[in-house]
Amino acid sequence: GQQLNQSPQSMFIQEGEDVSMNCTSSSIFNTWLWYKQDPGEGPVLLIALYKAGELTSNGRLTAQFGITRKDSFLNISASIPSDVGIYFCAGQLSDYKLSFGAGTTVTVRA
Amino acid sequence: ETGVTQSPTHLIKTRGQQVTLRCSSQSGHNTVSWYQQALGQGPQFIFQYYREEENGRGNFPPRFSGLQFPNYSSELNVNALELDDSALYLCASSFFRGAQMNTEAFFGQGTRLTVV
Repeated sequence: GQQLNQSPQSMFIQEGEDVSMNCTSSSIFNTWLWYKQDPGEGPVLLIALYKAGELTSNGRLTAQFGITRKDSFLNISASIPSDVGIYFCAGQLSDYKLSFGAGTTVTVRA
Repeated sequence: ETGVTQSPTHLIKTRGQQVTLRCSSQSGHNTVSWYQQALGQGPQFIFQYYREEENGRGNFPPRFSGLQFPNYSSELNVNALELDDSALYLCASSFFRGAQMNTEAFFGQGTRLTVV
């Protein structure tokens, strides 16, 4: 089955810093998505990417769909305390299911 | 606000029992997917329902079953509960247009199931 590897597994960041996380796969995907999950909540969609090479921003978040279609990265600029949470990448082919990575846990030092 | 609601929010069951979890999809959506999220892991796809039929299934045994109703709401049923079934169960809704799936799936807050 498709396996997504997210890195880093966790990170401590200083408020105001720019941070980056990425996701790689052994298989290609047609769509990459990034979700954020807070404790006790379901994942919330941050950014969706539909074309290889696509670079998309949503406020302080920027994500790119890798040219090989096997990877994606997410950048957070000028981090703030509410950026704390678990970030998941998810890939999708033309079928119905999302394949998720194991997540990157972000903790912000004030 | 996503509009996807799940009930109950928490549930404790005994090994061997059966459980039913419920999901109301977001207004305008016609497809519901269910995911299992174990502690410290990403969600794992269980199955998807479209037009009241199962439209795809992940690597889960037949004791995991579901239903979709004409109003697009859905149920997840798990029989013969095992300790390893303890997890957060997530429902996601989306709109399927036929040739290409709308990949923007919106998730509910989940049901935390504990099997003892």
